[in-house]
Amino acid sequence: GQNIDQPTEMTATEGAIVQINCTYQTSGFNGLFWYQQHAGEAPTFLSYNVLDGLEEKGRFSSFLSRSKGYSYLLLKELQMKDSASYLCAVRDPINFNKFYFGSGTKLNVKP
Amino acid sequence: GAVVSQHPSWVICKSGTSVKIECRSLDFQATTMFWYRQFPKQSLMLMATSNEGSKATYEQGVEKDKFLINHASLTLSTLTVTSAHPEDSSFYICSAHTSGTYEQYFGPGTRLTVT
Repeated sequence: GQNIDQPTEMTATEGAIVQINCTYQTSGFNGLFWYQQHAGEAPTFLSYNVLDGLEEKGRFSSFLSRSKGYSYLLLKELQMKDSASYLCAVRDPINFNKFYFGSGTKLNVKP
Repeated sequence: GAVVSQHPSWVICKSGTSVKIECRSLDFQATTMFWYRQFPKQSLMLMATSNEGSKATYEQGVEKDKFLINHASLTLSTLTVTSAHPEDSSFYICSAHTSGTYEQYFGPGTRLTVT
C-alpha cells in the first residue's frame, strides 16, 4: 500500500519562507506531485519530481530524495494568497495514472 | 488548455434519491478519468478509475452498486450516487488524464448535501 505523511497545519508570516515536508512509504516509486488547494476548490498542480534533487518554479520549489522517501515544498516570499492546503501525492508504481494523496498541510499566512 | 468542468457545482437532495454528477474535459480527450471524494478537512480519497468504453475500477471499500460510473466518451464521465444517505454528503472531485502527459487535471468539484 501507500502511506503518505504531512504535517496537519503550519503558520508562517507574509514575506517569509516556509518548508512543507512529505514522507512516503510506497511499494514502488513513480513520481511525486505537489498540489495547492484553496478551501472549497479543486487542487491545482504545483510541481512534479521523479528524480532526486530540487525543481524550482518561481517562488515555489520542490525537492525529492528517493532513498529517504522524502520530499519538501518550499515557498518563498510568502503572500497572503498562499494560505491554502498543500497536498503531496505519489503515483501508483504500476498504474501510472493513479495518484494517492497525503492528508494535506493547511498553511496559514499571517500579516 | 486542459480544462475540466463539473456539473452541478453543488446539489442538495433528499435521502433515498439519486444524484448524477458530470465531469467533462473541455479541450482535450481524456483517456482516463478519476473520481475522488473529500470530507471536510481531509484529503482526497480515490474512489474509482474510469476508462472510456469499459467498466470502472473501484478502490477497496467503495460500493460499485452505490456509486455508478459511466465513461461514455473521451470527454464525459458521470458519477451517480444512488439511494443517497446523509453520510454521502461530501465534496466530489473528478480529474482527467490524457496519454502522453504525467499530470491530472482536476475539475472544480461538486458539493453534495443529502438531507
